[in-house]
Amino acid sequence: DVVLTQTPPTLSATIGQSVSISCRSSQSLLHSNGNTYLNWLLQRPGQPPQLLIYLVSRLESGVPNRFSGSGSGTDFTLKISGVEAEDLGVYYCVQSTHARTFGGGTKLELK
Amino acid sequence: EVQLVESGGGLVQPGRSLKLSCLASGFTFSNYGMNWIRQAPGKGLEWVASISSSSSYIYYADTVKGRFTISRDNAKNTLYLQMTSLRSEDTALYYCAGTTTFAYWGQGTLVTVSS
Repeated sequence: DVVLTQTPPTLSATIGQSVSISCRSSQSLLHSNGNTYLNWLLQRPGQPPQLLIYLVSRLESGVPNRFSGSGSGTDFTLKISGVEAEDLGVYYCVQSTHARTFGGGTKLELK
Repeated sequence: EVQLVESGGGLVQPGRSLKLSCLASGFTFSNYGMNWIRQAPGKGLEWVASISSSSSYIYYADTVKGRFTISRDNAKNTLYLQMTSLRSEDTALYYCAGTTTFAYWGQGTLVTVSS
């Protein structure tokens, strides 16, 4: 089974600071069809998760472009260029190349 | 507007069964894969099961394999999760999520397994 390891588990940031979250997979997420099914979600307190990034780097409609995703194979990164207050919550990576797996989450909080 | 509305949660004794439903609207349900994800109190997200648009492909997490069954009725725009032999560790908020990219989410239905 695929294991996704997110680091750091907690991230403290000031408003306007740029931050990055890492997601590492125990095996390559490159599908035989050439796609890499790695997505990023944000769960704000008391809310269901929302999709931010799909297929590694594609921005979901309506998501601010301060969010960006990158990576390939087993190593992936979510970057927030200029944290805003509404960005606070828990970020999850999730893969759907080999069944489905969620990462353990990264909590973004205010410093 | 896309809506996913889960129902069927509640308090159930260990070893008993429960069936969850998720009614979809605002998108062409029959075109998309669907998923169940759960979140235990204070914990992270755990994938439970997925089903393709035509029910041809079905996947389960090892923690529920053999006990839970995912299904769908495209004519009724409804996703189901039949849960049997429930355990205390199945206690969680169960979310229905749509598409293989997890673009659509419901608000969840709470399942509590306790005697």
